[in-house]
Amino acid sequence: GQQLNQSPQSMFIQEGEDVSMNCTSSSIFNTWLWYKQDPGEGPVLLIALYKAGELTSNGRLTAQFGITRKDSFLNISASIPSDVGIYFCAGRLEYGNKLVFGAGTILRVKS
Amino acid sequence: KAGVTQTPRYLIKTRGQQVTLSCSPISGHRSVSWYQQTPGQGLQFLFEYFSETQRNKGNFPGRFSGRQFSNSRSEMNVSTLELGDSALYLCASSLASSEETQYFGPGTRLLVL
Repeated sequence: GQQLNQSPQSMFIQEGEDVSMNCTSSSIFNTWLWYKQDPGEGPVLLIALYKAGELTSNGRLTAQFGITRKDSFLNISASIPSDVGIYFCAGRLEYGNKLVFGAGTILRVKS
Repeated sequence: KAGVTQTPRYLIKTRGQQVTLSCSPISGHRSVSWYQQTPGQGLQFLFEYFSETQRNKGNFPGRFSGRQFSNSRSEMNVSTLELGDSALYLCASSLASSEETQYFGPGTRLLVL
């Protein structure tokens, strides 16, 4: 199936550091969503973006909908141990309206 | 408000058997989507139901089917199980069909031996 290119695949960072991850595609999207998944649980929605250029924050998290509508990034500032998990981007395609997911970024935080 | 619930949480089956998974959406949500999650393929869309009708379908074989009841609860069925069907099956609910904000359940982990 169609996938977004999400990078990096994994990160192992020191507590307190900032984190950045992104998703890119050759397709155009109407919506970008960022989810976090903890072990044994389903993904939890962190941030939803609905128009090109939109920049939205949720606490220490900030995400942006790329101007080209083909990419999005998520930043986490001052990481803490509970930020550990898998972060997924998801985009709703302009054509067909399906929601497609990135492969995920595994975040590990060293305290 | 209770979240999305899925039953069972864990299941072990053998090849050739069939399985039925259940999903109860958030109260008031009418759309239910199903996904298969595996380490190698990530999250793959199976199908979406809204008002008891399948609205969208992913690229899975006919062995995977689903349905939705009048109370918006949904079931998915996999017949003639294969080893490769071992995965976490996630259900997500939203207010309306193709609604951007989907809320996921905890998933059903299926192991096929």
